[in-house]
Amino acid sequence: DIVMTQSPLSLPVTPGKPASISCRSSQSLLHRNGHNHLDWYLQKPGQSPKLLIYLNSYRASGVPDRFVASGSGTDFTLKISRVEAEDVGVYYCMQALQTPFTFGPGTKVDIK
Amino acid sequence: QVQLVQSGAEVKKPGSSVKVSCKASGGIFSNFVISWVRQAPGQGLEWMGGISPMVDIANYAQKFQGRVTITADKSTSTAYMELSSLTSEDTAVYFCVRELSGRYYDSSGYWGGMDVWGQGTTVTVSS
Repeated sequence: DIVMTQSPLSLPVTPGKPASISCRSSQSLLHRNGHNHLDWYLQKPGQSPKLLIYLNSYRASGVPDRFVASGSGTDFTLKISRVEAEDVGVYYCMQALQTPFTFGPGTKVDIK
Repeated sequence: QVQLVQSGAEVKKPGSSVKVSCKASGGIFSNFVISWVRQAPGQGLEWMGGISPMVDIANYAQKFQGRVTITADKSTSTAYMELSSLTSEDTAVYFCVRELSGRYYDSSGYWGGMDVWGQGTTVTVSS
């Protein structure tokens, strides 16, 4: 199975400031179609997770453009250009290259 | 828009089985790929398996192989996840999820993420 790791696991943020989360996979997530099969999900308190980013860098419908994701191979990053209060929750990266799909442990983002 | 509505909370005895349903609306169910993801209390997300109603093929995480069965009823647009031989470690919230993918019948690698999630079903295993 592909092992996913994230850092940091806890991230206190200041509204209006940028924030960044790293995700690493135990093997390359590059598919033969040229895309990295890496997603980002946000689970707000008491809610089901929500898709933010798919295929490494494509924002899901309705996701604000302050969320920007990048990376390749085994190293990936999600950046929030200017954090808003509504961005608090747990962020998970997930590899979708092969089953079993596996998630990172999550990064808990809260307001300082 | 597509919605997934799951059945209600369950309390089960160790050794028993649970069957959770997931009813889809707002789309063509046969074209969906449905996965099940669980989350133990205070823990992260764990993929259990998935199914394509179109080709009626399911696959499972090795961890749950032999204990989980995922099925789909096209006539009612409902997917099911049955987990047997329950232990306290199966206490979790179980989510059904729509994948935007064709992985059961298309080798192109098309992937649009897990874009729709059910509200979750809490399963508590306790004696």
